[in-house]
Amino acid sequence: QKEVEQDPGPLSVPEGAIVSLNCTYSNSAFQYFMWYRQYSRKGPELLMYTYSSGNKEDGRFTAQVDKSSKYISLFIRDSQPSDSATYLCIAGGGNKLTFGTGTQLKVEL
Amino acid sequence: NAGVTQTPKFQVLKTGQSMTLQCAQDMNHNSMYWYRQDPGMGLRLIYYSASEGTTDKGEVPNGYNVSRLNKREFSLRLESAAPSQTSVYFCASSEAGVGLDGYTFGSGTRLTVV
Repeated sequence: QKEVEQDPGPLSVPEGAIVSLNCTYSNSAFQYFMWYRQYSRKGPELLMYTYSSGNKEDGRFTAQVDKSSKYISLFIRDSQPSDSATYLCIAGGGNKLTFGTGTQLKVEL
Repeated sequence: NAGVTQTPKFQVLKTGQSMTLQCAQDMNHNSMYWYRQDPGMGLRLIYYSASEGTTDKGEVPNGYNVSRLNKREFSLRLESAAPSQTSVYFCASSEAGVGLDGYTFGSGTRLTVV
């Protein structure tokens, strides 16, 4: 079993929809969590990071962490075609980052 | 606004050939990393350099060597390429070590070993 599990998709939604992207993790030692966005043939770029359970909001993006159930979510409101990308969830602890395999999202007009 | 620059962007090698992937960052970051990305596997750490003058193995170091040439540059060498090393390679850097402030990634090197 991978330490960070992520549904690979692809997930296809209409423009304007609310998108929910989810990850689960198995290692209780993970202390911080991140979401990266990766466009096709590009390197990943940091979207959000959080160190604690609860919600963190940044514009149309909300990251949610529930440490009790080891569940990480990213919500995208009013999704746009420019949000079409692969979204990577990452869990970190100590000197180590563990990447999920990514969820491919397509937002259609 | 270069950030992290990787060269080359594409490369085809024959089995047994050697090559060096170059990476340079202009953000004065202390830490640098080499990852490989394979379908269904996620990003896996090959080697990292926490600071100038130090290097350490990551999750999948076999078949690779690295050099932290100076604070800006971190190269990855394949001494004898194998088809299993066909992958997309990403270099990344961070200011303060693993995970604390997120990584800046380069745009990747797509390597095919035939």
